[in-house]
Amino acid sequence: NAGVMQNPRHLVRRRGQEARLRCSPMKGHSHVYWYRQLPEEGLKFMVYLQKENIIDESGMPKERFSAEFPKEGPSILRIQQVVRGDSAAYFCASSPQTSGSFEQYFGPGTRLTVT
Amino acid sequence: AQSVTQPDIHITVSEGASLELRCNYSYGATPYLFWYVQSPGQGLQLLLKYFSGDTLVQGIKGFEAEFKRSQSSFNLRKPSVHWSDAAEYFCAVPNTGFQKLVFGTGTRLLVSP
Repeated sequence: NAGVMQNPRHLVRRRGQEARLRCSPMKGHSHVYWYRQLPEEGLKFMVYLQKENIIDESGMPKERFSAEFPKEGPSILRIQQVVRGDSAAYFCASSPQTSGSFEQYFGPGTRLTVT
Repeated sequence: AQSVTQPDIHITVSEGASLELRCNYSYGATPYLFWYVQSPGQGLQLLLKYFSGDTLVQGIKGFEAEFKRSQSSFNLRKPSVHWSDAAEYFCAVPNTGFQKLVFGTGTRLLVSP
């Protein structure tokens, strides 16, 4: 059973470009979470999605960031017009629909570098 | 709001020595608590979790943690550390709506020969 998959693992973008980060949850998982880890810091929640719905985006910056989890295909975190401060590791996690234990399983992350 | 505090930023332990990493939580009710480990350049792996019942929880890789309500703590322990345990360790608690995990700032474990 494959775990949470994220791609690309490393992404380099120049300032002003767009970054698209993809996350495929574990098989049977319908809940997806995105977290950001800035250098030397812990993980900060960004957004929680279920299929075709954004449930909680309280951690998303108000501008330039968006996320989706379509009916088919992976979840996408999109950052428009990237700036140096967006350089970070972005982690996706998933959990099953009936997770009474609220366990989240994390992917390996996408490390975004903005030059 | 729910929060966790990991008071130690770095800890160095000799290989073979015992380990205890501290985690204090702030939570309105009986908490769900998690410990994750992150190796350099990697994602997070769940070490163990506490939901209810026995306050001493066994996890993977020989780790255990003890929930102490009176001290609002959930410290991670290992009797004998191996060099491969060098990593960053995060304590986490879900928010009230169970819609996200709130992480501590992490403790970086260094293992000396």
